[in-house]
Amino acid sequence: QSALTQPASVSGSPGQSITISCTGTSSDVGNYNLVSWYQQYPGNAPKLMIYEGSKRPSGVSHRFSGSKSGNTASLTISGLQAEDEADYYCSSYAGYSTYVFGAGTKVTVL
Amino acid sequence: QVLLVQSGAEVKKPGASVKVSCKASGYTFTGYYIHWVRQAPGQGVEWMGWINPNSGGTKYAQKFQGRVTMTRDRSISTAFMELSRLRSDDTAVYYCARDYDILTNCFDPWGQGTLVTVSS
Repeated sequence: QSALTQPASVSGSPGQSITISCTGTSSDVGNYNLVSWYQQYPGNAPKLMIYEGSKRPSGVSHRFSGSKSGNTASLTISGLQAEDEADYYCSSYAGYSTYVFGAGTKVTVL
Repeated sequence: QVLLVQSGAEVKKPGASVKVSCKASGYTFTGYYIHWVRQAPGQGVEWMGWINPNSGGTKYAQKFQGRVTMTRDRSISTAFMELSRLRSDDTAVYYCARDYDILTNCFDPWGQGTLVTVSS
């Protein structure tokens, strides 16, 4: 089980949109619509932002959206705000009741 | 309010074992799987496995097979993760996390994390 591939860092100016990619294989991301995304501030536990590829839990801003094409899932943050500066992790169901995470992407608001 | 509260930080010597607890409240403990995930300092997140608090059934990531044991005590709504034969690269924050909802295959909420330091 290899970790999903994410860019180490992504940056943007306030108000811009940014997209974080999450590339897996046909055994995980490509085979299931079960990608989730997590936001983590330093010293805190991760928080669920997107599940089942594009669904938002109650309370998560509509500025966060998710999508998938083939073996790559994406998280888009629209109208970037200073509070969005954090680490973001993707996760996918990988079959046989197992899961895999990405290595994480640091989002910087310029 | 759904809450997972973990036990405190641990310092262990190489070769020892550590057992971390995760006490659940605010929901029916037996209704949702509990997952264990770890994060080494400055590193990404790594899924370790899950336990079904109702049946006690488990599934472990291949990497941890033979070294990890996940158990639960339904009477106190608490899940446990024990990792044996500790090495220095097991130094990490260990989190428990609940299934967000039935069949959603994602994790929320998370416990506050337990730092396990392995050092001679």
